[in-house]
Amino acid sequence: GAVVSQHPSWVICKSGTSVKIECRSLDFQATTMFWYRQFPKQSLMLMATSNEGSKATYEQGVEKDKFLINHASLTLSTLTVTSAHPEDSSFYICSAPSYNEQFFGPGTRLTVL
Amino acid sequence: RKEVEQDPGPFNVPEGATVAFNCTYSNSASQSFFWYRQDCRKEPKLLMSVYSSGNEDGRFTAQLNRASQYISLLIRDSKLSDSATYLCVVTGGGNKLTFGTGTQLKVEL
Repeated sequence: GAVVSQHPSWVICKSGTSVKIECRSLDFQATTMFWYRQFPKQSLMLMATSNEGSKATYEQGVEKDKFLINHASLTLSTLTVTSAHPEDSSFYICSAPSYNEQFFGPGTRLTVL
Repeated sequence: RKEVEQDPGPFNVPEGATVAFNCTYSNSASQSFFWYRQDCRKEPKLLMSVYSSGNEDGRFTAQLNRASQYISLLIRDSKLSDSATYLCVVTGGGNKLTFGTGTQLKVEL
């Protein structure tokens, strides 16, 4: 199947810093990618839909100025958590569709101290 | 009410047991249905799609009841390696997935 990579795998940062997470489709092109967040023992929650060449679509309750999304090419979407705080600590996962199936990146575990 | 509801478990079963999970969804316009498997600290992986006619893949059988808005997953002859969280997922069309909270399964010796 298709492969989606995500970097970094994990990151620990101080409160107030910004963290960028990359999501790449390695062997296919994706005009749309999805960003999810998963807190411990909870479900994956869709944060936003990343659209190549246009603005991302954010889900209700997700601050677009805090979670900046850039989908500059057909194989790369980035999520930047700006001015991260401890409550932003979570597992961030991206996905990209290929032939009606969603392929997930391995996730990025963010810990904000 | 959550869009997709599952019993979180955990369900502890002995190896070789048959176990079933249920899921209900609230949006009657939902079009596609899936079961995903998620191991601890890993990304979800597609286990199987769910069709109205019911479908089977080896030891796994999925059923969909659109009238009751109910989805099930049956695992026969469970293995230790089946231990994971099973996520019920629906879409309303397009690629936007809505996940249930997951049901945790622990298969024991």
